[in-house]
Amino acid sequence: SYDLTQPPSVSVSPGQTARITCSGDALSKQYGYWFQQKPGQAPVLVICKDRERPSGIPERFSGSSSGTTVMLTISEVQAEDEADYYCQSADSSGSRGVFGGGTKLTVL
Amino acid sequence: EVQLVESGGGLVQPGGSLRLSCAASGFTFSSYYMQWVRQAPGKGLVWVSRISSDGSSTTYADSVKGRFTISRDNANNTLYLQMNSLRADDTAVYYCVRDLSGDFYFDSWGQGTLITVSS
Repeated sequence: SYDLTQPPSVSVSPGQTARITCSGDALSKQYGYWFQQKPGQAPVLVICKDRERPSGIPERFSGSSSGTTVMLTISEVQAEDEADYYCQSADSSGSRGVFGGGTKLTVL
Repeated sequence: EVQLVESGGGLVQPGGSLRLSCAASGFTFSSYYMQWVRQAPGKGLVWVSRISSDGSSTTYADSVKGRFTISRDNANNTLYLQMNSLRADDTAVYYCVRDLSGDFYFDSWGQGTLITVSS
């Protein structure tokens, strides 16, 4: 089992908005991060510190946080956004890393 | 450009040992915490271990504590993971990850190296 809870799958049509949630008690004290992983590739950081976008990540990727939940929003979804998305944080004590189980985003 | 290149993966029998290496370049290696994350085939990401920038502090996931040892050689910009008493459920791709802040801010990942534990 995973310390953070994500939906296993989300499906959207091109041009629509995809929203992926991640919940866990640790998120009330620790930042949330989001990674995109395509088949056969290493994860890529797309959102850091709940809502910041690293350099090179398209503006259609955004993050938000409320209480024990963080959310990744992908606006105007493109076919190339189809991937697995993982949320990540630290445990409440800040001594261990934790991940969600991953969400497969399907672009219909 | 940050580069992390893992090596040392392969097939090992249950109960065996293996040491992974991660060669770092493009940044001041000795200034950053480093981590290992693994991913079993078809499964999600799992945090394995963390080491402080000077190597004085280490933490481990419960599943590997007592069997795995993380270490680093700052003079040679290399991160290690010594894995002993390997089990079938240790089979995974192991990623070397840079921690930008020391607070589990995983900003750069290697390409991963596959460990298969099987007889």
